[in-house]
Amino acid sequence: DVVMTQSPLSLPVTLGQPASISCRSSQSLVHSDGNTYLNWFQQRPGQSPRRLIYKVSNRDSGVPDRFSGSGSGTDFTLKISRVEAEDVGVYYCMQGTHWPLTFGGGTKVEIK
Amino acid sequence: QVQLVQSGAEVKKPGASVKVSCKASGYTFTSYGISWVRQAPGQGLEWMGWISAYNGNTNYAQKLQGRVTMTTDTSTSTAYMELRSLRSDDTAVYYCAREPSLNYWGQGTLVTVSS
Repeated sequence: DVVMTQSPLSLPVTLGQPASISCRSSQSLVHSDGNTYLNWFQQRPGQSPRRLIYKVSNRDSGVPDRFSGSGSGTDFTLKISRVEAEDVGVYYCMQGTHWPLTFGGGTKVEIK
Repeated sequence: QVQLVQSGAEVKKPGASVKVSCKASGYTFTSYGISWVRQAPGQGLEWMGWISAYNGNTNYAQKLQGRVTMTTDTSTSTAYMELRSLRSDDTAVYYCAREPSLNYWGQGTLVTVSS
């Protein structure tokens, strides 16, 4: 199985400051069709997960443009340009290139 | 708008079975597969498996093989996940999520396994 490793586990951030979460996979996430199926999810407290980013860098509808995804191969990053109070929660990366689908362990974003 | 509405919370004894439903609306049900994901209390997300709503093909997580069955009823646009021989470590919130890449999620169903 592809192991997804996120860092840091916890990320205290000051409101209005940037935040960055790293996600590394144990093997390349480039699919034979040429796409890289790396997604990012946000889970606010008490809520279902919500997809923010798909295929590395594509924002879902309604996702603020302060969220951005980047990376390639085995190394990926989710960035929040200016953290707002509503961004508090746990963020997960997930790969959909190889069966079984696997998630990273999560990064908890909190306000300092 | 796409909606996935799951069945209500369940309490089961060890060794029993549970069947969770996920009723879809707002799209053509047979056009997209459904994945099931669970989350133990205070833990991360664990993918359990996937079913094609088009032809019923399935792909299960190795650790659940033999205990889990995913099915669909196209007449009611509903997906089901049955987990058998329940253990205490199966206590979790169970989510259904639509493909591609889990872009829509149900509200979750809490399954508690306790004697």
